Formats: sequence, structure tokens, C-alpha cells
Amino acid sequence: AQSVAQPEDQVNVAEGNPLTVKCTYSVSGNPYLFWYVQYPNRGLQFLLKYITGDNLVKGSYGFEAEFNKSQTSFHLKKPSALVSDSALYFCAVRDDGGSQGNLIFGKGTKLSVKP
Amino acid sequence: DAGVIQSPRHEVTEMGQEVTLRCKPISGHDYLFWYRQTMMRGLELLIYFNNNVPIDDSGMPEDRFSAKMPNASFSTLKIQPSEPRDSAVYFCASTGGGPQGPQHFGDGTRLSIL
Repeated sequence: AQSVAQPEDQVNVAEGNPLTVKCTYSVSGNPYLFWYVQYPNRGLQFLLKYITGDNLVKGSYGFEAEFNKSQTSFHLKKPSALVSDSALYFCAVRDDGGSQGNLIFGKGTKLSVKP
Repeated sequence: DAGVIQSPRHEVTEMGQEVTLRCKPISGHDYLFWYRQTMMRGLELLIYFNNNVPIDDSGMPEDRFSAKMPNASFSTLKIQPSEPRDSAVYFCASTGGGPQGPQHFGDGTRLSIL
């Protein structure tokens, strides 16, 4: 069975410091991995995805994520956090052998960036 | 390009009333998803369609919930009769371009059942 774990309910970071939001996954085949961000009163917005190729994926708003197959992880990172990055972040996974319906979301991690 | 459009953005109604939520997916997308988000349960997939055909409705909580997609540009999620525990934010999302494509979400309908 496919699953996604975001082990931290909340991550607190000072503005200007690097941030990491953790995600681990479990699929039977090769994973397609996605990160989304949700701002208050808005829908989820796509940030970046890993399908194949380079393990370091760059996305919107200066975010990047590193795919680690041996650790089955896909952590979201940013070198220097902004207060405006404060939001809810979701990791999602799909098995490359599954249908497009099988996009499994994590429970979300609330990122709080303080000035 | 227009994104996924949902209406209404907010709905407040009394229990027992029928509620209809609407969604217009991105043109050309062949998959449409309905989700529900609450603080307690997080994001839940309710049902999804492929080429207007329901594929998996195992997430629909009860027979009070029904969803239709009469054509490629419109879908509805109906609750009849509504109950206070149905209060949540309901999202519609669409995707196209194969399994590598991300889902694109609307801004949701915030539903409050009194």
C-alpha cells in the first residue's frame, strides 16, 4: 500500500535561516513525488515534483527538494526562509504503476517563519 | 489560463437542506477530483472521475453524498440532507497530461451546516 508520512506537525524557523520540511514515502513501484503549499483560505498550490533524473529538484518560490531513494525521503528545503513562506505544506506520492487517482497526501506540516 | 473554478466560495445553510457544490476544471484536463478538508481528518479524497466517468467513490462518506460530471467542463457534489458534521472545506482538483502531471486545485468551498 502507498503511504506518505510528514513526521512534524509544525516547523518553526527564523527568517533568513534555512528550512527543511520532512517527508517519507512508501510505494511498491517507482515514486512520483510532489510538494504543495496551502495559504489560508486558498487551495493547494503545486510547488515541485520528482519524476526521474536529478535527485535535486527545484521549484517555485526558491524551494527545492531532494529525492533519496535509499531513505525513501523527499524533504523540502529552502536556503533562506521568508516570513511569507509561512503556510501549510503537503507532500504527496503516486506509484508509477498506479492510476492518476492514487495520489496520496501527507497530513501536512505547518511552517511558521518568525521575523 | 483560468484555473479550477469552484462555486460558491462560502455556503452557510441549516441542517437538512440540500447543498450543491460546483466545479469547472481546467480545459483539457481529463481527471477531476473532489476532496474534503477538516482540522480533524485532514485532506480526504471523496471521489474522482476520468473522462467524466466516476472511477473511485470509496471515499464518499455516506449515501447522502453524490457527485456527477455531465460533461468535461462541469462537475457537482451534492449533499442531501446535510448535517453539521459535513461542515468542511471542499476542494475540486483536475489534472491532465498523464500520471506525471500535478493536480491543480480550486480555492474551495467553505461549507457550514448549522
